[in-house]
Amino acid sequence: QQQVKQSPQSLIVQKGGIPIINCAYENTAFDYFPWYQQFPGKGPALLIAIRPDVSEKKEGRFTISFNKSAKQFSLHIMDSQPGDSATYFCAASEGYSTLTFGKGTMLLVSP
Amino acid sequence: DAGVTQSPTHLIKTRGQQVTLRCSPKSGHDTVSWYQQALGQGPQFIFQYYEEEERQRGNFPDRFSGHQFPNYSSELNVNALLLGDSALYLCASSLLGVSGNTIYFGEGSWLTVV
Repeated sequence: QQQVKQSPQSLIVQKGGIPIINCAYENTAFDYFPWYQQFPGKGPALLIAIRPDVSEKKEGRFTISFNKSAKQFSLHIMDSQPGDSATYFCAASEGYSTLTFGKGTMLLVSP
Repeated sequence: DAGVTQSPTHLIKTRGQQVTLRCSPKSGHDTVSWYQQALGQGPQFIFQYYEEEERQRGNFPDRFSGHQFPNYSSELNVNALLLGDSALYLCASSLLGVSGNTIYFGEGSWLTVV
C-alpha cells in the first residue's frame, strides 16, 4: 500500500521556469511533510518541510503549498537553475515516527 | 559539526554472505533509523533505534537486524544476502520528542550483492 503518491515521475523545465511536484497522502494522522533533494550518488538532503497547520511555507526559491482537506501538498521551485537538477522526494510522518516517502521525481533544468 | 556519517561507502558481497554497515548520528541526536533505497525508488524504512532498543520496524525480514550503542551510533546487519538486497542503505538521525522532528540522512552505503 503506497501511502504517499508523487507525480510526475520526471520533469523537464527550462532555466527560469517553475517546476511543480505534487504529492497526495492517505493517512490523516500524518503531521509532518518534508521534501528531500537527492543528487546522484548522494543521500537525501532536507530541503523544506511543513506542518498541516499552515497552507504555505517559503524558504528561498522553494515553496510548499499544503491543502489539508484534499490531503495534497506540492513543491514549487522558483527561477529554477540547472543546479537544481536532481531527484526530489516528498515524505510524510506521524508524530515522532518514521518517514514514508513518495517514489521521487527526476527534475532536469535545461540551460 | 559533523553530520550523519556512514561506512563503508561502497561494498560488494556474494550471495549468502553477511554484511555490517555502520552509522554515527549527527551530534546531539539520539535516534537512528535505517532505510533501504533501491535504484530508482524512494527510501523504505527498515527500523529505528532509540536508547539502544528497536523502537519501530518496517516490513523487512529477520535477516535484517541492528544495534545501537551507548554513544548512539548504530549498526545494520544483513544475513544470508540475496541479489535483491543490492541497494543504497541510508542512515538517518533525529532527536526524539523534539518539535519539528527534523531528520537528517547520511550519504549512504552502496551494497552490491553478486
